[in-house]
Amino acid sequence: ILNVEQSPQSLHVQEGDSTNFTCSFPSSNFYALHWYRWETAKSPEALFVMTLNGDEKKKGRISATLNTKEGYSYLYIKGSQPEDSATYLCASLTGNQFYFGTGTSLTVIP
Amino acid sequence: DTAVSQTPKYLVTQMGNDKSIKCEQNLGHDTMYWYKQDSKKFLKIMFSYNNKELIINETVPNRFSPKSPDKAHLNLHINSLELGDSAVYFCASSPIAGNEQYFGPGTRLTVT
Repeated sequence: ILNVEQSPQSLHVQEGDSTNFTCSFPSSNFYALHWYRWETAKSPEALFVMTLNGDEKKKGRISATLNTKEGYSYLYIKGSQPEDSATYLCASLTGNQFYFGTGTSLTVIP
Repeated sequence: DTAVSQTPKYLVTQMGNDKSIKCEQNLGHDTMYWYKQDSKKFLKIMFSYNNKELIINETVPNRFSPKSPDKAHLNLHINSLELGDSAVYFCASSPIAGNEQYFGPGTRLTVT
């Protein structure tokens, strides 16, 4: 079983602040890195799928980068809003198996 | 229209029973998955199907068996339920293996 780790485990920020969190994963046999947004009482929703070293993806105020050589990805949120409050999950597709991290719980305080 | 649906949403049953959870996707995707969310909120993949063929089989007890009558459905059948099977089970689909996944609403299974 491979370890996909996310940090921090939880985070509280003020509305308007920018923030970022980390996903680390084993770099061997890497195929893809997924980011999902998971709101309470809902299902995970896909944000990004990245495969190439140096990939950068952006969706509105949220962006992500990928370093496959050292095995990490960053998720950035610019100008956090209360509606950004959710758990952010990353998942590594390694070989033919998905491994999810335990998530970073973000709370944006109005 | 719900893209990925699961039934039932809640399932309460006794130890030793056999139960099934159904999953349907209307997205035309080729790959479907089953995940178990454990007590620590951790998502663990159980199975995935690609065009009705099992392509991932994580080390789950053989009391769990996926059944796919067609590309749009992947049902989860559980025999001889145990207390430790209590969890939320999520179904998901993706256009092809490795692409972004679309999750169902989850089924909360409680074994008493």
